[in-house]
Amino acid sequence: AQSVTQLDSHVSVSEGTPVLLRCNYSSSYSPSLFWYVQHPNKGLQLLLKYTSAATLVKGINGFEAEFKKSETSFHLTKPSAHMSDAAEYFCVVRYYNNNDMRFGAGTRLTVKP
Amino acid sequence: EADIYQTPRYLVIGTGKKITLECSQTMGHDKMYWYQQDPGMELHLIHYSYGVNSTEKGDLSSESTVSRIRTEHFPLTLESARPSHTSQYLCASSGGRRTDTQYFGPGTRLTVL
Repeated sequence: AQSVTQLDSHVSVSEGTPVLLRCNYSSSYSPSLFWYVQHPNKGLQLLLKYTSAATLVKGINGFEAEFKKSETSFHLTKPSAHMSDAAEYFCVVRYYNNNDMRFGAGTRLTVKP
Repeated sequence: EADIYQTPRYLVIGTGKKITLECSQTMGHDKMYWYQQDPGMELHLIHYSYGVNSTEKGDLSSESTVSRIRTEHFPLTLESARPSHTSQYLCASSGGRRTDTQYFGPGTRLTVL
């Protein structure tokens, strides 16, 4: 079955240190991949997306993600965490039939002062 | 400003009541979606629409129904709410191309007592 797996349910980092949120997907086709962020009591906001162009994708707020087909991964990174980055992050995979978007279970990022 | 709106943001009601969750978008998108998200869990697609008079059920079975009489409006209705319907409901829309991004509303947090 096609699926997306976020390998960590909770990640805690100190302010100013790097962030790594991991995502793996399974697919028979080249998918479109997205990272969304959800702050408390807010809707989902798109951070970045990969759609078969450059494998290193830059998003908003200093986040970026690298599509690695050989590893079926799309990990989200940021060089230096800010307190405002504390939120829930969702990795999403869209398959070829357009309406089928699979959401990961989410990773809660905590940023310590 | 183009956006996607959901009302109400919060709703607490008693068992057996009929409720309608509203979703409107001003982006002219053909496709609209409803997702259900339990706390700390991933999103599950419950309904989607490709355009006016088009509605389909998603991956997760839901007792709710939807309608799409106007392009910009995609309301979700529960005829008789139960405590098991307590959840967050997120509405999204997309422009229709294969790789197009889904834009999310702020969500409606429903509690059924």
